Amino acid sequence: KAGVTQTPRYLIKTRGQQVTLSCSPISGHRSVSWYQQTPGQGLQFLFEYFSETQRNKGNFPGRFSGRQFSNSRSEMNVSTLELGDSALYLCASSLVPLSSGNTIYFGEGSWLTVV
Amino acid sequence: AQTVTQSQPEMSVQEAETVTLSCTYDTSESDYYLFWYKQPPSRQMILVIRQEAYKQQNATENRFSVNFQKAAKSFSLKISDSQLGDAAMYFCAYGSSNTGKLIFGQGTTLQVKP
Repeated sequence: KAGVTQTPRYLIKTRGQQVTLSCSPISGHRSVSWYQQTPGQGLQFLFEYFSETQRNKGNFPGRFSGRQFSNSRSEMNVSTLELGDSALYLCASSLVPLSSGNTIYFGEGSWLTVV
Repeated sequence: AQTVTQSQPEMSVQEAETVTLSCTYDTSESDYYLFWYKQPPSRQMILVIRQEAYKQQNATENRFSVNFQKAAKSFSLKISDSQLGDAAMYFCAYGSSNTGKLIFGQGTTLQVKP
């Protein structure tokens, strides 16, 4: 059974540009959640999607957005990139919503560098 | 708002010995979940153990066990018979049953010495 797949794995963008990251969950999983990991702020929850609906959102500006498609694949978009957006972005999937406390499975992450 | 605190940025243990990683949290919710995740150098997060707040019995997974003190809002992880493969960063996390948000501590880097 394939795990959570994130693409691209590494990318470099310029300040002011926008970026789209993709996450394909484990087959059958309908919940996808996103996290940002930086040395300074640690690991922070961005948002969760379940059955194409955003269920909850962390404390991030509106430049961070996401969506989920009918096949449960999810994309995360960051517009008007800032240097501080450089981070490892992790995606995780689960059969049921995060609120159920079920095990979630993480992908290997997408490394974003903003220059 | 909920917070999770890991007061030990780094820990070290001798192979085959036991180590305990500390975690405290703050919440006004009564229903929640607690987790320990391991992040090796590959950066892929792996669930080590989970605990449901309504369960008094401490969770155990092979060499990993927790000491869950609900009143004290403490959730420590004990690793017995430490192995070289246990070297990683460990994150304590709080999961809200209400909002579904996961809140992570700052992490503890565990070094295992041969």
